[in-house]
Amino acid sequence: SQTIHQWPATLVQPVGSPLSLECTVEGTSNPNLYWYRQAAGRGLQLLFYSVGIGQISSEVPQNLSASRPQDRQFILSSKKLLLSDSGFYLCAWRGDRRNEQFFGPGTRLTVL
Amino acid sequence: SQKIEQNSEALNIQEGKTATLTCNYTNYSPAYLQWYRQDPGRGPVFLLLIRENEKEKRKERLKVTFDTTLKQSLFHITASQPADSATYLCALVRNSGGYNKLIFGAGTRLAVHP
Repeated sequence: SQTIHQWPATLVQPVGSPLSLECTVEGTSNPNLYWYRQAAGRGLQLLFYSVGIGQISSEVPQNLSASRPQDRQFILSSKKLLLSDSGFYLCAWRGDRRNEQFFGPGTRLTVL
Repeated sequence: SQKIEQNSEALNIQEGKTATLTCNYTNYSPAYLQWYRQDPGRGPVFLLLIRENEKEKRKERLKVTFDTTLKQSLFHITASQPADSATYLCALVRNSGGYNKLIFGAGTRLAVHP
């Protein structure tokens, strides 16, 4: 069966520091992968999606970037974090049958 | 742009009653709509999908309706239990550049009291 991992689970970083969040998927090949951010009391905001290695589409201009170095690995990065980057970051992959999305456990990022 | 609205106020109901959550959308006609459950500090979990040509979909104690004229979906939990307490998100599918993406509402928090 498919599983999705994210790490770290929680992260506290100072403003201006770099960021690297990792997401890996097991049990499926060539998945469509997504990064979302969820601010407190807000809906999920799609940040990036990827349909294959090296293929990244950005949904909104921001301080973040994404990369997909391997089929089942999706990385979210920043060179310099802002306070507004705080939030709950979720990685997801898309199922084939019903287009449902399967989410990872998330990373809680606090920028101080 | 597409907009999804869910009641931002928490819904408090008594155990055993039916919970009804509302999802309204504008500026779009999605081919289908999905509902997810999210527990605090966890990622959302897919529950149900309903297509534009379906009026109603059921799964155990869950029922979803889809009214494309009203641009509204209703999500019902019958015989609610305290374990049903969570935030419920609706999402519509948007096709952009040949790829399907989900647009999520902010969710409605449901609290079922014993």
